[in-house]
Amino acid sequence: DTAVSQTPKYLVTQMGNDKSIKCEQNLGHDTMYWYKQDSKKFLKIMFSYNNKELIINETVPNRFSPKSPDKAHLNLHINSLELGDSAVYFCASSQDFRGLGYEQYFGPGTRLTVT
Amino acid sequence: EDKVVQSPLSLVVHEGDTVTLNCSYEVTNFRSLLWYKQEKKAPTFLFMLTSSGIEKKSGRLSSILDKKELFSILNITATQTGDSAVYLCTSGTYKYIFGTGTRLKVLA
Repeated sequence: DTAVSQTPKYLVTQMGNDKSIKCEQNLGHDTMYWYKQDSKKFLKIMFSYNNKELIINETVPNRFSPKSPDKAHLNLHINSLELGDSAVYFCASSQDFRGLGYEQYFGPGTRLTVT
Repeated sequence: EDKVVQSPLSLVVHEGDTVTLNCSYEVTNFRSLLWYKQEKKAPTFLFMLTSSGIEKKSGRLSSILDKKELFSILNITATQTGDSAVYLCTSGTYKYIFGTGTRLKVLA
């Protein structure tokens, strides 16, 4: 029983293409996140949703568009892919985002390579 | 701007050694500080610290927070090769800022 799953695990595509990454969590959590991790392992938040509502929208190119059809799913669509988009993208979830904070459960990551 | 800084960036030790990893933070409206371990894939949760001076412990790992000096340390005693990983520290208000991580390698 995978708690946070992402598909696909690997994505190799050419510049200019549009691609999507899907994320699902079965933990019953209210909050979900997208992170980008570069080659130096630096993890940076991109978006966060709480109960399908956008709560964090970092300075990310508007080619990136998240969508949360329900609180268990958070997808990431990327238009017009660029070389600099190559990274590992992690989805995560937490029980909530308020209060003192909560531990996050991370998905296995999607390694995106743009050629 | 909120900031989380980890040191050292990397560390190589031998099995049985004790290591101390550092995390300093500048975060407005601090709530908590969390440590994660990342091996080959996804980060996995280790500790969440909210109060100063209270040590959290799990086996050979322990961590403590100093809210006055704005830092936390993660100690690993009697290191094993399985402890080799990147250790990430994070804090923030409604969003989590991650440090650059400390890459620990434990040699047999």
